[in-house]
Amino acid sequence: GDSVTQMEGPVTLSEEAFLTINCTYTATGYPSLFWYVQYPGEGLQLLLKATKADDKGSNKGFEATYRKETTSFHLEKGSVQVSDSAVYFCALSDAGTGFQKLVFGTGTRLLVSP
Amino acid sequence: NAGVTQTPKFQVLKTGQSMTLQCAQDMNHNSMYWYRQDPGMGLRLIYYSASEGTTDKGEVPNGYNVSRLNKREFSLRLESAAPSQTSVYFCASRDTGGRTDTQYFGPGTRLTVL
Repeated sequence: GDSVTQMEGPVTLSEEAFLTINCTYTATGYPSLFWYVQYPGEGLQLLLKATKADDKGSNKGFEATYRKETTSFHLEKGSVQVSDSAVYFCALSDAGTGFQKLVFGTGTRLLVSP
Repeated sequence: NAGVTQTPKFQVLKTGQSMTLQCAQDMNHNSMYWYRQDPGMGLRLIYYSASEGTTDKGEVPNGYNVSRLNKREFSLRLESAAPSQTSVYFCASRDTGGRTDTQYFGPGTRLTVL
C-alpha cells in the first residue's frame, strides 16, 4: 500500500538557519503531495501542496518540489524563525482512493532556538 | 466561518465508559474524516464519510462507530472505552475536487482512558 517516510526528529536549529526535512513516498498511482504543520496544542494546517511532477509548492517561505524520479517531496526553508517551531507532516493522496484519503508520515518536530 | 469545530476539547473516561465525540463543519464539504494521533505514529484514519449517508472504515476502526448525521456533522462513538484508545482525535473535512483538494482539520479532542 501507499506509505510516506519522513526523517526522524527532533530537528534542532538556530534562528536563521537553513531547514530541510526529507520526505519520500511509495504509491501505486500518481499521488498528490502535501505538507501539513501542527503548532503546539492545535490541529493540522495545510502548509503547501503539489499535484503533479516538478510542481513546486510554496507558502510562508517554505518550499517543496514534487520529484517523481526520486519519489520525494522534501521541505525547505532558507531562514527559519522561532515561530516555525512545530511538527511537520508529509502526506499523500492518490487516485486509487479518488484522492479521498490522506496517508501521513510520522511527523518531524522542528525546534528553533533564538 | 468557523471551519471545523470539535467538542469536547478534553475528556477523561474510565475503562468501559462510553462517549461521543462531536464534529461539525460549515464549509459545505461533502467528505468528513476521523483520525487519531499517537506519538511516533502520525495520524491514522479511523473512519470517513465520502458523502452524506455513507461511511467507510479506515485503517484503525476497531472499537469505534460513526454517524454522519447530516452534511455538517460527523460523530465518533466509543461504546466501551479502553486505555488503548487514549489519544488525540482529529476531525477533518474536504470538498470533492479530486487531485487538488485538501483536508481541513479541527482543533482536536484529547482523550484519556484510565
